[in-house]
Amino acid sequence: SQQGEEDPQALSIQEGENATMNCSYKTSINNLQWYRQNSGRGLVHLILIRSNEREKHSGRLRVTLDTSKKSSSLLITASRAADTASYFCATVWVGDKLIFGTGTRLQVFP
Amino acid sequence: DSGVTQTPKHLITATGQRVTLRCSPRSGDLSVYWYQQSLDQGLQFLIQYYNGEERAKGNILERFSAQQFPDLHSELNLSSLELGDSALYFCASSVPSGGYNEQFFGPGTRLTVL
Repeated sequence: SQQGEEDPQALSIQEGENATMNCSYKTSINNLQWYRQNSGRGLVHLILIRSNEREKHSGRLRVTLDTSKKSSSLLITASRAADTASYFCATVWVGDKLIFGTGTRLQVFP
Repeated sequence: DSGVTQTPKHLITATGQRVTLRCSPRSGDLSVYWYQQSLDQGLQFLIQYYNGEERAKGNILERFSAQQFPDLHSELNLSSLELGDSALYFCASSVPSGGYNEQFFGPGTRLTVL
């Protein structure tokens, strides 16, 4: 079963707007990662945040982590049509296996 | 292109049959992971191999088995197939680092069981 839930399940925005996705998980973690999946294709790693980090940036991406609330958020600024995809958070606790959330489907309209 | 290859891309078969999915990891990656993505279960970790040895096991059914060969490619064998086994099966590879490395995913094999 999945580690956690993502919210919202689906999000539709206009190009140029910001998109925020939230992820909640259930157990302790070593780190949390975000992946993107374009329409039934393979997943692509976006960013990793360690359990002792609170915020991380990569280009237009900003990830926050609150281990006390067992939650993370992914912010995509100035969205583009090419950002249309499903976004998954994945937690790592023991070893290397990824435990995925339910995903958020993002639609960015031109 | 992640550098991870999976064959075949699509597979259509009947209930009760057995199929083999193949994965070639990125050059130099010793770890291979298998994941299943279905509408009702989402993305689930199945099994991990490291340099030929099983390293971790997830929600993998007893009807499923995997192995990693000396050349590091991996195969996932699914037997006595049921309708509910229809899903996308992904292989990923990485350099193991206690979970601090990203995993590189292949394009997946879409299995349809009729």
